[in-house]
Amino acid sequence: IAGITQAPTSQILAAGRRMTLRCTQDMRHNAMYWYRQDLGLGLRLIHYSNTAGTTGKGEVPDGYSVSRANTDDFPLTLASAVPSQTSVYFCASSPTGEGSTGELFFGEGSRLTVL
Amino acid sequence: GQNIDQPTEMTATEGAIVQINCTYQTSGFNGLFWYQQHAGEAPTFLSYNVLDGLEEKGRFSSFLSRSKGYSYLLLKELQMKDSASYLCAVMDSNYQLIWGAGTKLIIKP
Repeated sequence: IAGITQAPTSQILAAGRRMTLRCTQDMRHNAMYWYRQDLGLGLRLIHYSNTAGTTGKGEVPDGYSVSRANTDDFPLTLASAVPSQTSVYFCASSPTGEGSTGELFFGEGSRLTVL
Repeated sequence: GQNIDQPTEMTATEGAIVQINCTYQTSGFNGLFWYQQHAGEAPTFLSYNVLDGLEEKGRFSSFLSRSKGYSYLLLKELQMKDSASYLCAVMDSNYQLIWGAGTKLIIKP
C-alpha cells in the first residue's frame, strides 16, 4: 500500500518558471490538502479539496492553483514561481464521514527552491 | 485571530518523562491533534482529543482541557528515537486545522 505519494521529492527552479507538484493517494480519501512548511512557522494551508470536483482556498493561496479531477490526484501548480515560494510542500489526505476524526495522512514532502 | 502556542524547543534525558504544552485560541473547537515529525520527514498522527481528559496510548498520553484552551502531550520512558518535532493542531468551527509552529524535542543520553 503506497498511501500518499508526492513528486518530485526535491526541485530547484528558476524564478518565473511554471511548476506542478504531483500528489496521488490510493486510500480513497475524500479530502485532500496542500500545505507549506517554513522554518519557525506552523503548517500553512494553501488549498484544499473536500471531494473530487471541488476545491477551496486556504490561508496562503496566492500564486498557487489546484485541480481535483478525480479522487486520487491533487496537483499543485505554481504559475510563475517566486523566491518566497521556496519551502517544503506537503500533500495530505483524510477520510471524511461518520466516525472520522479528520486525521491527516501526509506525503513525504516536496522540497522546492526558487532562485 | 486564531493562535496556537507551544514551546519552541525542549530538552530531556533518555528514560525520563517530558510534558509538551499547547495552548490555543480558536474560533470554535472540533478536536485537538498531536503529530510527530522527524527531521526531513512527514508529520505522523499521534493522538486526537475532543473531550476533556487524558487519552493514553502506550508511552504517549495526551490531555485536553477545553475550558482552559490547553493540552499537553506526555512522553514516558523517553527513547533516542523520540527526538523529533511535536506539532499541536486544533480543528476550528469550520473544520479547518490551525497548526502550532511545533516543539523540537531533543533527547540526550
